[in-house]
Amino acid sequence: DSGVTQTPKHLITATGQRVTLRCSPRSGDLSVYWYQQSLDQGLQFLIQYYNGEERAKGNILERFSAQQFPDLHSELNLSSLELGDSALYFCASSTNMVGTQYFGPGTRLTVL
Amino acid sequence: TQLLEQSPQFLSIQEGENLTVYCNSSSVFSSLQWYRQEPGEGPVLLVTVVTGGEVKKLKRLTFQFGDARKDSSLHITAAQPGDTGLYLCAGAQMFGKRQLTFGSGTQLTVLP
Repeated sequence: DSGVTQTPKHLITATGQRVTLRCSPRSGDLSVYWYQQSLDQGLQFLIQYYNGEERAKGNILERFSAQQFPDLHSELNLSSLELGDSALYFCASSTNMVGTQYFGPGTRLTVL
Repeated sequence: TQLLEQSPQFLSIQEGENLTVYCNSSSVFSSLQWYRQEPGEGPVLLVTVVTGGEVKKLKRLTFQFGDARKDSSLHITAAQPGDTGLYLCAGAQMFGKRQLTFGSGTQLTVLP
């Protein structure tokens, strides 16, 4: 158990819908990272927040957005969902901006 | 964009055999990490190598970082069924925000 929690574990929805994925980092960690893992693209970095502020952006679509709240938990919002958005979404956390990342168990999103 | 290529993509071996997984790039990384991921779980960090030419051992696993810090290898001696999983390498950028770039992974199956 990494100490990072993600909810829900599974999510099934339809095209065009919007979903929110939630992540609670390890106690004391200030950084939260979001990744997408699909069969054809592998593990892709989406975005990083540090202490409530966006720090780095990767291959995140404009339909996707994230935020980190004062209690340091984070949410990833995915809107106008497409079939190709079906993937595993992982959250990771680290103590500081560049520290070792500890991954949560992931949310499996299926878009029908 | 920094790319990390892993080989082989799939590896199926018998218990007791040795194996090596390779992670190659044309880019230089400040550090390189190896993760193992099991079905339904997030990646778990195995090791971080930082210095060119560095060799780290973790029981039956030996990790090496290339002299030029562009490549790495993971060698497993006397593989066991418990070693089965997806092995991912990830390189941290040399400069800037030190984002991780993940390789495509090597799916290892060790047969009893």
